[in-house]
Amino acid sequence: QKEVEQNSGPLSVPEGAIASLNCTYSDRGSQSFFWYRQYSGKSPELIMFIYSNGDKEDGRFTAQLNKASQYVSLLIRDSQPSDSATYLCAVTRRAAGNKLTFGGGTRVLVKP
Amino acid sequence: DGGITQSPKYLFRKEGQNVTLSCEQNLNHDAMYWYRQDPGQGLRLIYYSQIVNDFQKGDIAEGYSVSREKKESFPLTVTSAQKNPTAFYLCASSIDPEQNIQYFGAGTRLSVL
Repeated sequence: QKEVEQNSGPLSVPEGAIASLNCTYSDRGSQSFFWYRQYSGKSPELIMFIYSNGDKEDGRFTAQLNKASQYVSLLIRDSQPSDSATYLCAVTRRAAGNKLTFGGGTRVLVKP
Repeated sequence: DGGITQSPKYLFRKEGQNVTLSCEQNLNHDAMYWYRQDPGQGLRLIYYSQIVNDFQKGDIAEGYSVSREKKESFPLTVTSAQKNPTAFYLCASSIDPEQNIQYFGAGTRLSVL
C-alpha cells in the first residue's frame, strides 16, 4: 500500500464546473497536508495546506480534511482552462521526521 | 526578489561523470530539500538539511551526495554510482522544518548523453 494515493486521472471537467480531487494516506500519525499544482514541465507550486479536520477555503480552492477516514480532498470551483495541471497531494508524518511524502498526482483537464 | 534559484536548467551527463546541481535561496529558510521526479510520478526525497553543516538521507540517497556549508546553499552531486540519473531534480526550502511548508525552485532537468 502506498503511503499517499491519488487517482492519476485525467479528470476531465467542463469550464465553470467544480473539480473534486481526492487523496488518501496510510499513516494515522500524519500531521500536515498540502496541495501543490504542477504545470507540465514546471516545478510544483503550493496551493494550500491544512492541519485540522474540516474545510479550509482560499479563493476558488477548498481543502477538506478527514483524519478519521484518512483522506484529504481539494475542490476547485468555477474551473478554468488555466487550472489544467497535475495536482500533487503531500503529507508529513512526525514519526518520519516531518518528511514530506507525495502522491503520484492527479491530472486535471478543464475543457472550454 | 526572494526565491529559490536552481541552475542549470538543463544538464547533460556523460558516462562515469559526476555532475553538481546548484540550489541557492535568499529566503532565510533553515531547511532545504532535494527531490527527484520521474515522468508521470510524484516526488521522491533524496537528501534534506535542517541546519548548516548537517544533512540526512532521504528515501533514495544512493548515488547522490550533498553539502550544506552555508545556509543559502545546498548543492547536489549526482555521482557515477547513480546508474539511472535521468530525471527532473527539484530543490525546496522551508522556513521551519516543524511546519514544513515547502517552496520549490524551477528545477533542473538532467539527461544522460
